[in-house]
Amino acid sequence: DAKTTQPPSMDCAEGRAANLPCNHSTISGNEYVYWYRQIHSQGPQYIIHGLKNNETNEMASLIITEDRKSSTLILPHATLRDTAVYYCIVRAAGTDKLIFGTGTRLQVFP
Amino acid sequence: GAVVSQHPSWVICKSGTSVKIECRSLDFQATTMFWYRQFPKQSLMLMATSNEGSKATYEQGVEKDKFLINHASLTLSTLTVTSAHPEDSSFYICSASGTGGRNTEAFFGQGTRLTVV
Repeated sequence: DAKTTQPPSMDCAEGRAANLPCNHSTISGNEYVYWYRQIHSQGPQYIIHGLKNNETNEMASLIITEDRKSSTLILPHATLRDTAVYYCIVRAAGTDKLIFGTGTRLQVFP
Repeated sequence: GAVVSQHPSWVICKSGTSVKIECRSLDFQATTMFWYRQFPKQSLMLMATSNEGSKATYEQGVEKDKFLINHASLTLSTLTVTSAHPEDSSFYICSASGTGGRNTEAFFGQGTRLTVV
């Protein structure tokens, strides 16, 4: 599995955009980038995933660089409820497995 | 999104007893489910892959005789922690993907907090 690297923690003011970076320099051509988040003492929640094109849904936007070696998850207007650990995961080709790294702890403050 | 439900949400058991945790996909069929364990302030660690109608595949270092997995139907997988000890106290989480092929999202249960006393 391609390894991902994320900053351990980030802060964001409520109402501002939260931009969470992820490096996956060893990603293979057929591997997708997935983002999940985990609010304290709950199961992870799916946010978004993509292959090479930028993606947007009701929760967030995913920007993937042209060389696919990094990506950024954007929460356009962070709220206090977005405080969570965010995991960037590269899904192994040909498998449904998700291998979690250490993630980024996002703290949204008033 | 699809719903995956775990039961119980929390359980306290005595050392030496066994505990069964259920994972159900409520509105879709899942040929594959995954079991994770999470210790405080750590990330999720994949324990095993549960395959409907066949034996589970365990990750390296996970004792298959201690963590029994049964996936008897397309909507239910169970994890039994046998002869539990205090070091087995953890947050256990399951996930499931639909049968619609690769590169679909996996959905997670709410987790089960096991405390062994």
